[in-house]
Amino acid sequence: KQEVTQIPAALSVPEGENLVLNCSFTDSAIYNLQWFRQDPGKGLTSLLLIQSSQREQTSGRLNASLDKSSGRSTLYIAASQPGDSATYLCAALGHSGGGADGLTFGKGTHLIIQP
Amino acid sequence: NAGVTQTPKFRVLKTGQSMTLLCAQDMNHEYMYWYRQDPGMGLRLIHYSVGEGTTAKGEVPDGYNVSRLKKQNFLLGLESAAPSQTSVYFCASSYPSREQFFGPGTRLTVL
Repeated sequence: KQEVTQIPAALSVPEGENLVLNCSFTDSAIYNLQWFRQDPGKGLTSLLLIQSSQREQTSGRLNASLDKSSGRSTLYIAASQPGDSATYLCAALGHSGGGADGLTFGKGTHLIIQP
Repeated sequence: NAGVTQTPKFRVLKTGQSMTLLCAQDMNHEYMYWYRQDPGMGLRLIHYSVGEGTTAKGEVPDGYNVSRLKKQNFLLGLESAAPSQTSVYFCASSYPSREQFFGPGTRLTVL
């Protein structure tokens, strides 16, 4: 059974810093890995999707990497802003059900950017 | 495009009552999913569907039923609600093995 772990569980940094959020997964047989953002009381917003054949994806100040062999992904946020404050979720799409198993989620990193 | 929509947004039920949550997507996605989110547990898959007329169980299916009579709609039913089903329910849709898009969620409280 796939397990996804996110470290740290919470992080508070001053505005302007670059930061890295970590995600690890136990089963390397994945179709893809997706990073989401969730604001309090809101739904999930997809940030980046990395297919299993890719090493990284970039969108604006965000960069996500994937190392299947070690079971790790990182989300890099450059020049953090107070508006980046949210919970960030990492989720892996399993391979066993032909891509239809659904995502296995980590419990998230609660990020606070101090003005 | 509205993306993925869910109704209702909020609901309070008494133990033993029944209800149906509706999910609709306008992206012509084949796959649709129902997840629940609980504090300390993260998001977990309840049921999913790979196409019209087909459904399958996920990680936590007990106490729920689903139906997908039309490609764009995926219904989640609670026949006899229990306090343990108090949660936030999210629907998602995708093309096979592609990015999943989530709805805004339904907050359900069972008293």
